[in-house]
Amino acid sequence: KNQVEQSPQSLIILEGKNCTLQCNYTVSPFSNLRWYKQDTGRGPVSLTIMTFSENTKSNGRYTATLDADTKQSSLHITASQLSDSASYICVVSPSGTYKYIFGTGTRLKVLA
Amino acid sequence: GAVVSQHPSRVICKSGTSVKIECRSLDFQATTMFWYRQFPKKSLMLMATSNEGSKATYEQGVEKDKFLINHASLTLSTLTVTSAHPEDSSFYICSARDYEREGLYYNEQFFGPGTRLTVL
Repeated sequence: KNQVEQSPQSLIILEGKNCTLQCNYTVSPFSNLRWYKQDTGRGPVSLTIMTFSENTKSNGRYTATLDADTKQSSLHITASQLSDSASYICVVSPSGTYKYIFGTGTRLKVLA
Repeated sequence: GAVVSQHPSRVICKSGTSVKIECRSLDFQATTMFWYRQFPKKSLMLMATSNEGSKATYEQGVEKDKFLINHASLTLSTLTVTSAHPEDSSFYICSARDYEREGLYYNEQFFGPGTRLTVL
């Protein structure tokens, strides 16, 4: 069964600190993996996209990594800001289908 | 570019009434649009896929007569929740697929800001 699991479920950090969010998936084969940021009461916004052959992608303070052998991805946030408080969702697109497989999400709270 | 809007952003209605939610792709043509539902602290659940000019494809367990989807143009899809009940209260999100932009990254979906539906 295609699954995407994220950890931790929730995380609290102090402003300025770094953090890393994890995503483990069983989807195979897949065409790409995405990380989204979702603010409360808003739609998801894309942060990074990687194909199965890419192993890192950066977008400002966000850096995603992908290890297709171990079926793991991570999202590293550098120098966190209060505005980073949101849910972060890992999404995998299986090959041959238009459907997204959504992860369980990590709720991040950044404190001043 | 690739902006998707939804209207309304919030709606409160009485039980038994119908509510229509609009999803528009503002700067691209979206042959395919998707409708999702999200419960508090949960991830998005795909309800249906709509293709312009044809009937929507519903996911298992989603009532077709309850959630009417129309995709009459390349920039507009609507979701009508018919005879709404309190259990239909949820956050509804649409997304649109821009085939022309896809290139390397297959199946790029752009999400709308969501609509919060509260049924009293």
